[in-house]
Amino acid sequence: DTEVTQTPKHLVMGMTNKKSLKCEQHMGHRAMYWYKQKAKKPPELMFVYSYEKLSINESVPSRFSPECPNSSLLNLHLHALQPEDSALYLCASSLRQYNQPQHFGDGTRLSIL
Amino acid sequence: AQSVTQPDIHITVSEGASLELRCNYSYGATPYLFWYVQSPGQGLQLLLKYFSGDTLVQGIKGFEAEFKRSQSSFNLRKPSVHWSDAAEYFCAVEYGTISNFGNEKLTFGTGTRLTIIP
Repeated sequence: DTEVTQTPKHLVMGMTNKKSLKCEQHMGHRAMYWYKQKAKKPPELMFVYSYEKLSINESVPSRFSPECPNSSLLNLHLHALQPEDSALYLCASSLRQYNQPQHFGDGTRLSIL
Repeated sequence: AQSVTQPDIHITVSEGASLELRCNYSYGATPYLFWYVQSPGQGLQLLLKYFSGDTLVQGIKGFEAEFKRSQSSFNLRKPSVHWSDAAEYFCAVEYGTISNFGNEKLTFGTGTRLTIIP
C-alpha cells in the first residue's frame, strides 16, 4: 500500500469545469511534488513545495494552480484545461534529506472532454 | 543539464531467465541514482537507491543495481524474473551534496518496458 494517497483515482471533466486533485501523506515529509505523466512517457515535474512554500514551478500554465495548506496536504486546482492536459497526475513526497528518496502515490487519471 | 538514458525501450525475457536493464546518466559530481517500477495504471514504486558507499545496491523484489562511475552507468539486474515483474522501469538521477541536499529535481529516463513470456 502506498503511503501517499491521491484522490480521486479517476476524473473526467469538461474544458470549462473547475476541479481539484488532492494528495495527502502522513510520513512527516517536508517536500511535496506534482508530476504529469503522459502515456508511455516518464513523469515530468510540475511543482515542488518545500516546507509548505512553492520552491519550483516548471513553467506550468496558469490553468494549473497548486496549493499546500499544510505539511501533509497538497492540492492541484484545475480550471479551463485543454484536451492535451489529459494525463496521469502523480504526487510524491520526501523528507528532503540526504539518502531519502521520493515516495509516489498511485496518481489521478485525468481526462478532459 | 542532468539527463538519463535508458537505451532499451522494450525488453522481452522468458520467465526464470536473468535480466539486466541499462541506465546511463550524464556526468555530475555526486549523482544520486534510483530505479522505480510502474505497473499499468499505478504510481511509481522505489526498487532501490544509490547515494554513496557500496556500489552494489540491493533492493526489493530481488533486484540489485551496480553503480559504475567510470562508465556513468547504474544497471538494474535480477537473476530470475517472475511474471509479476512485467512493468515499466524508470531510472532516475538527482544531484546534490550531503550538506546541501534538496536539489529536488529528479530527472527520469524514458523508461524500459519489460515483457515476460512463459
